[in-house]
Amino acid sequence: DVKVTQSSRYLVKRTGEKVFLECVQDMDHENMFWYRQDPGLGLRLIYFSYDVKMKEKGDIPEGYSVSREKKERFSLILESASTNQTSMYLCASTVGGGVYTDTQYFGPGTRLTVL
Amino acid sequence: QQQVKQSPQSLIVQKGGISIINCAYENTAFDYFPWYQQFPGKGPALLIAIRPDVSEKKEGRFTISFNKSAKQFSLHIMDSQPGDSATYFCAASLRSGGSNYKLTFGKGTLLTVNP
Repeated sequence: DVKVTQSSRYLVKRTGEKVFLECVQDMDHENMFWYRQDPGLGLRLIYFSYDVKMKEKGDIPEGYSVSREKKERFSLILESASTNQTSMYLCASTVGGGVYTDTQYFGPGTRLTVL
Repeated sequence: QQQVKQSPQSLIVQKGGISIINCAYENTAFDYFPWYQQFPGKGPALLIAIRPDVSEKKEGRFTISFNKSAKQFSLHIMDSQPGDSATYFCAASLRSGGSNYKLTFGKGTLLTVNP
């Protein structure tokens, strides 16, 4: 079974803090993704990575950055957290390699609250 | 710009009834259409998917109907059960970053099946 784990299920931070969300997958997947999920807005793609040290902006990258130093780990960074970044953050991974029917495997999510 | 429109936002169905969720898209470059199911406290998981050269795909009680000319697709859940109560997301796949693919999700439908 593919397993995608996220470092925290719940996180509370203060405005202006630097926040790191960590995601690890154990199936040697090439591609990794970060989404945020908000009620009524669905899943919105923040950033994705299709190789180590490679990244591409998604639909809502503003206020976020990412890091992928190792194939299995993909980090989402909030440089200076703001209250409008309070959300559920979901990480996903796919096998990659140009397979258009690739399945996205999601982690359980991190619920971040910024006070 | 919302590229995949999903309706309804919420749906209540009696046990044994048929649940129908609809999605529409504009971008004809989308080439794969999966549905994801999300239970409370969990990440989304692939439920069923269809390619645009097929008009219907059935897996057990779940069926996708696809209308390429209308750019619409729908999920039908036959004999709906309380255990089907979840949030359902339609999605569409698009090539990005060379040979890799990313998903655009609809906003989700909260399905409640009453016993």
